[in-house]
Amino acid sequence: GGIITQTPKFLIGQEGQKLTLKCQQNFNHDTMYWYRQDSGKGLRLIYYSITENDLQKGDLSEGYDASREKKSSFSLTVTSAQKNEMAVFLCASSTISNERLFFGHGTKLSVL
Amino acid sequence: GQQVQQSPASLVLQEGENAELQCNFSTSLNSMQWFYQRPEGSLVSLFYNPSGTKQSGRLTSTTVIKERRSSLHISSSQITDSGTYLCEGTGNTRKLIFGLGTTLQVQP
Repeated sequence: GGIITQTPKFLIGQEGQKLTLKCQQNFNHDTMYWYRQDSGKGLRLIYYSITENDLQKGDLSEGYDASREKKSSFSLTVTSAQKNEMAVFLCASSTISNERLFFGHGTKLSVL
Repeated sequence: GQQVQQSPASLVLQEGENAELQCNFSTSLNSMQWFYQRPEGSLVSLFYNPSGTKQSGRLTSTTVIKERRSSLHISSSQITDSGTYLCEGTGNTRKLIFGLGTTLQVQP
């Protein structure tokens, strides 16, 4: 079996700060995803990547950058944290055929 | 509008009762998955079920892909079943589409 590790688990930032979230997977999956989950709004796709060095924008990419420098890792940067922002960021990975999706435990973001 | 409709939005059961959760999509799909989200937020894959019926313990998933719907049946519910159940579909664009979830609370 494999695992997806997200770091950090909790992230507290200041308004305007640039914040980076990291995700590592050892499934050897091709595709990786970053989702944002807000209360009452479900999961919204920020970025995804189908292979190393590939980046595809999701529905919520504005305000974020992403980087897939290695097959096993996918990082997400909040370019300028918004005051009172609170959300959970979930990283996931799957095979290229999307047969099964696996999630990390999430990073909970709070902005003061 | 929302491409995935999950119903009911929330459900309260007494321990031992059964639950039927529904998922309907407005777009064509190739595959479907059901996830359980624990109260602390982590997501667990329950079923990858592009078609037909699959069972795992007290859980049964039935997908009719041509009709763009899937259901999740929970029999003899337990308090530890409490949490949020999400369905997800993958279409030709390879973008994954999630529903808003059904929040289940099982009471003693």
